[in-house]
Amino acid sequence: DVKVTQSSRYLVKRTGEKVFLECVQDMDHENMFWYRQDPGLGLRLIYFSYDVKMKEKGDIPEGYSVSREKKERFSLILESASTNQTSMYLCASSLTGVGYGYTFGSGTRLTVV
Amino acid sequence: AQSVTQPDIHITVSEGASLELRCNYSYGATPYLFWYVQSPGQGLQLLLKYFSGDTLVQGIKGFEAEFKRSQSSFNLRKPSVHWSDAAEYFCAVGPTDSWGKLQFGAGTQVVVTP
Repeated sequence: DVKVTQSSRYLVKRTGEKVFLECVQDMDHENMFWYRQDPGLGLRLIYFSYDVKMKEKGDIPEGYSVSREKKERFSLILESASTNQTSMYLCASSLTGVGYGYTFGSGTRLTVV
Repeated sequence: AQSVTQPDIHITVSEGASLELRCNYSYGATPYLFWYVQSPGQGLQLLLKYFSGDTLVQGIKGFEAEFKRSQSSFNLRKPSVHWSDAAEYFCAVGPTDSWGKLQFGAGTQVVVTP
């Protein structure tokens, strides 16, 4: 079964820490995405990547960066975690072409204290 | 501006009753349309999608959706809900000339009562 795997289901980090969220897909998908999900706000796109080493800002990139050194792996980095980054983070991947839709990981619930 | 609207934030339905979730979009041309479901603590799972052709689309878990061009709507339905249908449902759209970026609605939370 094809998968998008997020390395952690739950994370608790301290304010100011550098945080890495990892996402791996085994479907040879070109596109990968990071979203954050907050109650009442739905899914908001943080960053996406359409190829190795390529990245584009989404709607809310401030305070985040990403890395895609290999096709299957897309990392989200919180340079200096803050409490307002407490959220559910969802990774997704897709083939090129909007008609394919996305495959999502199970999410990482991040709490910054 | 392009937009996706799910007018209902929260819906409560009795087990065995029918369910309809609304989705309206504003795009220059008919986009690709999707419905996803998110069970508590999980990622999103694709229920169904529409590209063209028959405007009534069948999906998994007994769901169907109807595309109505004149109303710019893509409403999700299920004739008889089960307790396991309690979840959050997201409508998503993507323009046909896009390489793959989808826009999601804010979601509708469905509660199923006994």
